[in-house]
Amino acid sequence: SQQGEEDPQALSIQEGENATMNCSYKTSINNLQWYRQNSGRGLVHLILIRSNEREKHSGRLRVTLDTSKKSSSLLITASRAADTASYFCATDAYDMRFGAGTRLTVKP
Amino acid sequence: DGGITQSPKYLFRKEGQNVTLSCEQNLNHDAMYWYRQDPGQGLRLIYYSQIVNDFQKGDIAEGYSVSREKKESFPLTVTSAQKNPTAFYLCASSRLEGYEQYFGPGTRLTVT
Repeated sequence: SQQGEEDPQALSIQEGENATMNCSYKTSINNLQWYRQNSGRGLVHLILIRSNEREKHSGRLRVTLDTSKKSSSLLITASRAADTASYFCATDAYDMRFGAGTRLTVKP
Repeated sequence: DGGITQSPKYLFRKEGQNVTLSCEQNLNHDAMYWYRQDPGQGLRLIYYSQIVNDFQKGDIAEGYSVSREKKESFPLTVTSAQKNPTAFYLCASSRLEGYEQYFGPGTRLTVT
């Protein structure tokens, strides 16, 4: 089954720095989504990028998609302590598959 | 106030008992999903439903059952056949294939 796999597993940065997380997947996709999860909470959708798109922006978030390499990256610019969370990528739709996530810690 | 709700937030059961987790949405979404999350892990799909009275197994359906009698509701029963039921359970819904999923706050189930 398709599955997003995030890298790195954990990332620790200082407030104000940029954070980059990567996602790799195995088979062709229609779209790829990024979600955020605060500890012990449900997931919140951040951004969706379709297979015919290469880059998408939303506020401080920038997502890229390279279908030839079957990979995506999420960049959070000017990070804040409130960005501390786990970030997951997920591929496709009804049988969406999530990776294990990247645990981001932003130190004030 | 539109959204997806799960109840209860915490649930404790004795081994051998079946337990049903509630999931309700008022977003008028066609699709609903159940995921299991273990500590430090990603989400694993248990069941999903695209339409009322129809549902499909996900990767880890064994020991679980669902029903979809109403569009708004998708309860999950964790049966005594589930060997390791203690986990965080997340319900989600979406409009259609290819759209974002909206998640509930989750139910943390502990079975002793």
